Amino acid sequence: EVQLVESGGGVVQPGGSLRLSCAASGFTFDDSAMNWVRQSPGKGLEWVSLISGNGDTTYYADSVKGRFTISRDNSKNSLYLQMNSLTTEDTALYYCAKDGGNSGYDVDYWGQGTLVTVSS
Amino acid sequence: SYVLTQPPSVSVAPGQTATITCGGNNIGSYSVHWYQRRPGQAPVLVIYYDTDRPSGIPERFSGSNSGNTATLTISGVEAGDEADYYCQVWDSGSHHVVFGGGTKLTVL
Repeated sequence: EVQLVESGGGVVQPGGSLRLSCAASGFTFDDSAMNWVRQSPGKGLEWVSLISGNGDTTYYADSVKGRFTISRDNSKNSLYLQMNSLTTEDTALYYCAKDGGNSGYDVDYWGQGTLVTVSS
Repeated sequence: SYVLTQPPSVSVAPGQTATITCGGNNIGSYSVHWYQRRPGQAPVLVIYYDTDRPSGIPERFSGSNSGNTATLTISGVEAGDEADYYCQVWDSGSHHVVFGGGTKLTVL
């Protein structure tokens, strides 16, 4: 059974930093591209970032480029999101999401999310 | 970057058919995926590659994609189908995953 468990969310002041983690199990982790997707209160889903299975290729939404860094440790079956220079606009539930693996960039499994609140 | 447009809300009586659209410039040339997000739950993939259903998704859910509109159709709507639905594509030009704004399905 595929499981994705996020952690690391919390309350942080504007301008601060936070590192999210996602522990993956139930599938061959290094075969799968992974995403971070977020949902702000009252808003829709927003893609944040994607990383290839071997970690060589990364993509970012324009809203986070230069501030967030996605990474992975395949030896630990773990995905990360380093978030710097946070603003109130980054307040959201952050989901770890597994790519479907068929070159269509669908997401076939989602974690339950970890909540990030940026507030002074 | 590429923009996907969905109606904010759709309402349907139980047993009827719900149609949720996703508009985009020449979206028929993209592979479209659909997600269901019930309140308080993580999203679930219900249609991928325009028309395919993951295992466990009822046959009541179907998809189509042509021209400038992709469509998710839910036949025989049940109370449990009440949720937000999102379309999604991969924009190879910008290397971005793109979501539509979401449609709230209300079962009357």
